Amino acid sequence: SQQGEEDPQALSIQEGENATMNCSYKTSINNLQWYRQNSGRGLVHLILIRSNEREKHSGRLRVTLDTSKKSSSLLITASRAADTASYFCATESGSARQLTFGSGTQLTVLP
Amino acid sequence: DAGITQSPRHKVTETGTPVTLRCHQTENHRYMYWYRQDPGHGLRLIHYSYGVKDTDKGEVSDGYSVSRSKTEDFLLTLESATSSQTSVYFCATTDSQETQYFGPGTRLLVL
Repeated sequence: SQQGEEDPQALSIQEGENATMNCSYKTSINNLQWYRQNSGRGLVHLILIRSNEREKHSGRLRVTLDTSKKSSSLLITASRAADTASYFCATESGSARQLTFGSGTQLTVLP
Repeated sequence: DAGITQSPRHKVTETGTPVTLRCHQTENHRYMYWYRQDPGHGLRLIHYSYGVKDTDKGEVSDGYSVSRSKTEDFLLTLESATSSQTSVYFCATTDSQETQYFGPGTRLLVL
């Protein structure tokens, strides 16, 4: 079973626009992480937000976490064509820091 | 990328044959993981390790075994490969900040 579910499954926007992806999960978590995967490549860590945090920023990325709703959002501002990739949320809830991934959002940024 | 390498990067095998995938890391991270990625499923955890000779099952462990005799190496074995194990396999490690780093992946095709 998957802990995190992303919404939407696919998103297409113009360069310069903002992109928002949402993630919902089912059980209590230690932290929630977002990863990016370019086609045919491994996953790259973007940002981690702990369960006692509500918002975090990193460059053009903004992540929010609402533990009462068991949901998170990833905002990419001023998107670029190079942001085209699949984005995954993952929740950590085990003692060995294992992650449970959602099925991802495919983001396409059109030049 | 935390110095994670996977070998082989591509493999084609026949149903019923044993297959071993190797993950090697250079960062001395304690935790290591094996995931598989299939279309529509995101990444699913197969097995993980929290130290030398300490391993446990993940969400989709049936048909797989692992071994970790050294900190830097984590082996995934398919005892008797089946077509349902055709997938892309990713190894990962976690650092002290709970960030997971992923290897480049191994594409396995079981005919």
